[in-house]
Amino acid sequence: GQNIDQPTEMTATEGAIVQINCTYQTSGFNGLFWYQQHAGEAPTFLSYNVLDGLEEKGRFSSFLSRSKGYSYLLLKELQMKDSASYLCAVMDSNYQLIWGAGTKLIIKP
Amino acid sequence: IAGITQAPTSQILAAGRRMTLRCTQDMRHNAMYWYRQDLGLGLRLIHYSNTAGTTGKGEVPDGYSVSRANTDDFPLTLASAVPSQTSVYFCASSAAYQETQYFGPGTRLLVL
Repeated sequence: GQNIDQPTEMTATEGAIVQINCTYQTSGFNGLFWYQQHAGEAPTFLSYNVLDGLEEKGRFSSFLSRSKGYSYLLLKELQMKDSASYLCAVMDSNYQLIWGAGTKLIIKP
Repeated sequence: IAGITQAPTSQILAAGRRMTLRCTQDMRHNAMYWYRQDLGLGLRLIHYSNTAGTTGKGEVPDGYSVSRANTDDFPLTLASAVPSQTSVYFCASSAAYQETQYFGPGTRLLVL
């Protein structure tokens, strides 16, 4: 079966750095997406990786290793507004997104 | 309108009733999707449409139907609601089926 694993919850301190991991087993691979979802709101797109390596976008970076079935989202200079759930999703061979359950990130002052 | 809109925002529905959730996008995206989101689970695809006039079944299609008469609209119908359909429903769209998906604000549905 297809599976996306990510930690349920993480806590970090304002101003610090946090890394959210995602491992996957899917039938085929056509890219990996990270979304941010604030409580009670819709998911919003953060990043897309289809080749191995690091993609940097401001305070957020995303890394992919296809051979290891592994990705992480790195958030730097954490701000209180970064408190949210972070969703990892893989596009499978049918171009359908398979979603992880999300990682709830709690930022403490 | 800018992006994707969904209606209603929330709804309480008696079991056995019929309900249509509306979704409209103004981005001229070809592909549209319906997901449900339940606590502790990832988003699950209900139905999708890669282009106007075509639809397909996702992971959890039972009890739901969709239509795609034009590019902009993608309604989701629950023919006879059951309590297990209590969920948050998100509509999404993408320029093409392999592109990044963008989400509407969601509909919170409670079936009693």
